[in-house]
Amino acid sequence: AQSVTQLGSHVSVSEGALVLLRCNYSSSVPPYLFWYVQYPNQGLQLLLKYTSAATLVKGINGFEAEFKKSETSFHLTKPSAHMSDAAEYFCAVTPGYGGATNKLIFGTGTLLAVQP
Amino acid sequence: EAGVTQFPSHSVIEKGQTVTLRCDPISGHDNLYWYRRVMGKEIKFLLHFVKESKQDESGMPNNRFLAERTGGTYSTLKVQPAELEDSGVYFCASSQDITGAETQYFGPGTRLLVL
Repeated sequence: AQSVTQLGSHVSVSEGALVLLRCNYSSSVPPYLFWYVQYPNQGLQLLLKYTSAATLVKGINGFEAEFKKSETSFHLTKPSAHMSDAAEYFCAVTPGYGGATNKLIFGTGTLLAVQP
Repeated sequence: EAGVTQFPSHSVIEKGQTVTLRCDPISGHDNLYWYRRVMGKEIKFLLHFVKESKQDESGMPNNRFLAERTGGTYSTLKVQPAELEDSGVYFCASSQDITGAETQYFGPGTRLLVL
């Protein structure tokens, strides 16, 4: 069975500081991995996804994530936080072999606060 | 292109009442998913439609939940009778295909509170 663990339900950084949101996965097959963001009063928006093409994935708004199979991790980073990055971030996984259904399995989410 | 829309945005009902949530997927998306987030917990899968057929309903909590997708377009999720533990945010998502790598596009969610 697949699962996702997000370490830290709340992360606070200063504006301009590095953002690091952690995600570890468990999967018996090579996974596809996703980071979604939810801004207040909005739906989930895809930030980036890993589909086995490249281990370093660049997404929108300056975010990127690196797939590390040996560490079963897919941590999200951004070099310099902006006030507009304050949101809740979700890591998710689907089985990489495709199939009849591709339900996303989510972590519990990390709420990012950016201090001025 | 219009995104995924959900109605209502909020619903407050009493225990034992019935509530129906609606989701309109992105036009042309055959795949429609329902998810739920109970407060403080992770977002959990409820079910998956391909056109009008239920492909996977393994996440439906119990038989008080009934999902339909008429004509393969919009979908409704009915809770009858509602219980306190049904409170949460119900998300709908749609996608064009099923490769595992496809993007699921989410609606803003319906916030359900059962008193």
